[in-house]
Amino acid sequence: DTGVSQDPRHKITKRGQNVTFRCDPISEHNRLYWYRQTLGQGPEFLTYFQNEAQLEKSRLLSDRFSAERPKGSFSTLEIQRTEQGDSAMYLCASSAKSHEQFFGPGTRLTVL
Amino acid sequence: AQSVAQPEDQVNVAEGNPLTVKCTYSVSGNPYLFWYVQYPNRGLQFLLKYITGDNLVKGSYGFEAEFNKSQTSFHLKKPSALVSDSALYFCAVRDSGAGSYQLTFGKGTKLSVIP
Repeated sequence: DTGVSQDPRHKITKRGQNVTFRCDPISEHNRLYWYRQTLGQGPEFLTYFQNEAQLEKSRLLSDRFSAERPKGSFSTLEIQRTEQGDSAMYLCASSAKSHEQFFGPGTRLTVL
Repeated sequence: AQSVAQPEDQVNVAEGNPLTVKCTYSVSGNPYLFWYVQYPNRGLQFLLKYITGDNLVKGSYGFEAEFNKSQTSFHLKKPSALVSDSALYFCAVRDSGAGSYQLTFGKGTKLSVIP
């Protein structure tokens, strides 16, 4: 299967620790997106890359959050000094020239 | 700004009956509209999209949706529901004229198909 993959699938951390998530998009897709989903809500947009350029950032993305896509392939999302409010499912998606975005399985973060 | 409303938190339908999951949207320009389905502990799966052209679009697993510009709606439909259709359904919109690729999602509608 060559869908979007995310690692890890689950992460439990203590408040104040840093965490990093990885996303591998579908290989021919040049666009990559990060979303956050909390219980009972739809996904909320965080940021978007076209190739290695980060072109959009939501105001949800505080200065504790940083995302990179250094070679235009995989991407990482880092959260520094985690807070309990950061507990959520972090979803990665990718797309090509077609408009639909294809989502990975997500990384569930629990901050204790 | 773009937004989506899914007015029903839950829809219950008997197996074999037609189903409808409602979605209304708001954008400044022309909308690109999408439906996704989410099964427990899994990511979102793309079902169908409206970009331009025919107002009735067909997608995966026998689902279809009708774009209604005057009512700013994009309701998801299926003629005959299956128990396996039970899941969480999300409507999403992107404003084609905003120069942005971000999707805005509704809160989701839980569909329960009763045997």
